Amino acid sequence: AQSVTQLGSHVSVSEGALVLLRCNYSSSVPPYLFWYVQYPNQGLQLLLKYTTGATLVKGINGFEAEFKKSETSFHLTKPSAHMSDAAEYFCAVSDYSNAGGTSYGKLTFGQGTILTVHP
Amino acid sequence: EPEVTQTPSHQVTQMGQEVILRCVPISNHLYFYWYRQILGQKVEFLVSFYNNEISEKSEIFDDQFSVERPDGSNFTLKIRSTKLEDSAMYFCASSFRKTGADGYTFGSGTRLTVV
Repeated sequence: AQSVTQLGSHVSVSEGALVLLRCNYSSSVPPYLFWYVQYPNQGLQLLLKYTTGATLVKGINGFEAEFKKSETSFHLTKPSAHMSDAAEYFCAVSDYSNAGGTSYGKLTFGQGTILTVHP
Repeated sequence: EPEVTQTPSHQVTQMGQEVILRCVPISNHLYFYWYRQILGQKVEFLVSFYNNEISEKSEIFDDQFSVERPDGSNFTLKIRSTKLEDSAMYFCASSFRKTGADGYTFGSGTRLTVV
């Protein structure tokens, strides 16, 4: 079974500083990995995803993440934080590997990281 | 950009009552999902639906829950007799591929409060 751990339930940065949100996963097979963002009173919006190919993936709003198989990590970064980045961020892994059998690609989420950006 | 639409955004119901949460997935998507997030906890998978039948469900999805795609557009989650512990944000999601290679699109959620 897949699992996801997000280190730090709250991260606080200054505007213009580097954003680093940590995600480690557990999977018995090569995973599909996702980062979602949730702004207050809104749904989950896809930031970026890794499926196959290039391990550094770029997403919306200047975010990127790097898949590191050896470290089982998929950390999310952004070089310079904006006030508008304040939100909750979720890392998730898909169990697509079983998609040929009885599983239909459900997502397993981490517990979320709330990002606060100070002026 | 295509959206997944959920109604209502908020629902308050008395314990023991039936509720139906509604979702309109993206029109060309084939796989449909319900997730829930109890306040302060992780987003949890409830059920996936494909080709007019449940393809997978979690242990949370007991006999009190059911899903239906009554027409070509709506996807509903019914809770027959609500409990206090059913209070949560419920998210509908859809995808074109079951692997999620194109990403899963989520709705804005329905906040269900059981009193």
